Amino acid sequence: DTAVSQTPKYLVTQMGNDKSIKCEQNLGHDTMYWYKQDSKKFLKIMFSYNNKELIINETVPNRFSPKSPDKAHLNLHINSLELGDSAVYFCASSGPRRTDTQYFGPGTRLTVL
Amino acid sequence: AQTVTQSQPEMSVQEAETVTLSCTYDTSESDYYLFWYKQPPSRQMILVIRQEAYKQQNATENRFSVNFQKAAKSFSLKISDSQLGDAAMYFCAYRSANNYGQNFVFGPGTRLSVLP
Repeated sequence: DTAVSQTPKYLVTQMGNDKSIKCEQNLGHDTMYWYKQDSKKFLKIMFSYNNKELIINETVPNRFSPKSPDKAHLNLHINSLELGDSAVYFCASSGPRRTDTQYFGPGTRLTVL
Repeated sequence: AQTVTQSQPEMSVQEAETVTLSCTYDTSESDYYLFWYKQPPSRQMILVIRQEAYKQQNATENRFSVNFQKAAKSFSLKISDSQLGDAAMYFCAYRSANNYGQNFVFGPGTRLSVLP
């Protein structure tokens, strides 16, 4: 069974469009994250959510908005897409204990034309 | 803020040989966790090994082991008997043990090639 899943795996869209990426985890974790991996493979955190509350926002443009309908889901909405948004976006989750490891989804490759 | 540095953008190793990937980090905290993640061409991020800072013993997982030097803030990964399937990007990561929900901080990665 897939622990952390994302849909879609690939997303190609035009500049200016609005798109969403969905993430679901079946691990019973309390905290979920969104990361952006750029073309140089640098992995940077965008958001983390704990029990449906945003606890970290790493100065990401407000065109990006995370939405968590419940503890198992954290979706990423992106408005007015720009060329620079092209990247691979990873969802991840971890448990509440300080010792808990982070588990990643397969990633979504977003291409903005 | 914590930072993680991986000074080797690319490394290569002959199949069956041993290779060591370096990682250093900067923190003022005494309690934290360190991780190595592997990202093969499939793009999936896979946990390789983890180390608790309060443990002096170096973590080991089969062919993977770490050399954790807390005073030097160094956390290198050694891969023994390298296999073709080890070819991937390797990321070193830091997680604070003090703040609930603290984000992970990742290094820039090292691309490892395994030569047949």
